[in-house]
Amino acid sequence: GAGVSQSPSNKVTEKGKDVELRCDPISGHTALYWYRQSLGQGLEFLIYFQGNSAPDKSGLPSDRFSAERTGGSVSTLTIQRTQQEDSAVYLCASSLHWAANYEQYFGPGTRLTVT
Amino acid sequence: DAKTTQPNSMESNEEEPVHLPCNHSTISGTDYIHWYRQLPSQGPEYVIHGLTSNVNNRMASLAIAEDRKSSTLILHRATLRDAAVYYCILRDGDYGGSQGNLIFGKGTKLSVKP
Repeated sequence: GAGVSQSPSNKVTEKGKDVELRCDPISGHTALYWYRQSLGQGLEFLIYFQGNSAPDKSGLPSDRFSAERTGGSVSTLTIQRTQQEDSAVYLCASSLHWAANYEQYFGPGTRLTVT
Repeated sequence: DAKTTQPNSMESNEEEPVHLPCNHSTISGTDYIHWYRQLPSQGPEYVIHGLTSNVNNRMASLAIAEDRKSSTLILHRATLRDAAVYYCILRDGDYGGSQGNLIFGKGTKLSVKP
């Protein structure tokens, strides 16, 4: 079946511009997660959704970052006034349920480069 | 979530079994042991998970120590495609204390030689 998809696959933007990253989870998955991976760094959790709500936004690195999920499906991660330190691969994952005994399925990521 | 310790890197020969260790001495009774791997230039991929008993699936086996303070991911016959970074992650099964996200450490970089 179809896996998690993300778009765009690559995005180059100028410092100060806003960007939107999109995630299409696996159909029927109620939990959706955003992570990012900077060059040579580990995977960092950003935010997760139970249905359409995000119980905890404390993982977002600054108030320039926001995310929403509509209809319990597609999610958008928005970065305002991008900075060079925002350059990273942004990964989305979905899971049938947010409980600990459910696996997460990751998308291929969006590589964001801020020049 | 409790911390895990893994070797930074391991090497294996193609077609041979690989045993990837993970120490988690502070594991709690409700922590699930998950393994993910990340192939070069790809997103992480789920491998296997367990709570107390050993687990087998089409990708690998998970052997969990009786005291649960360590576990071993077993790839029965390594292929070149298995070269990846392998992450051992504990996930709290206590719903009141968990938000469900994975906490990735540095993992073990597995190299497979032909």
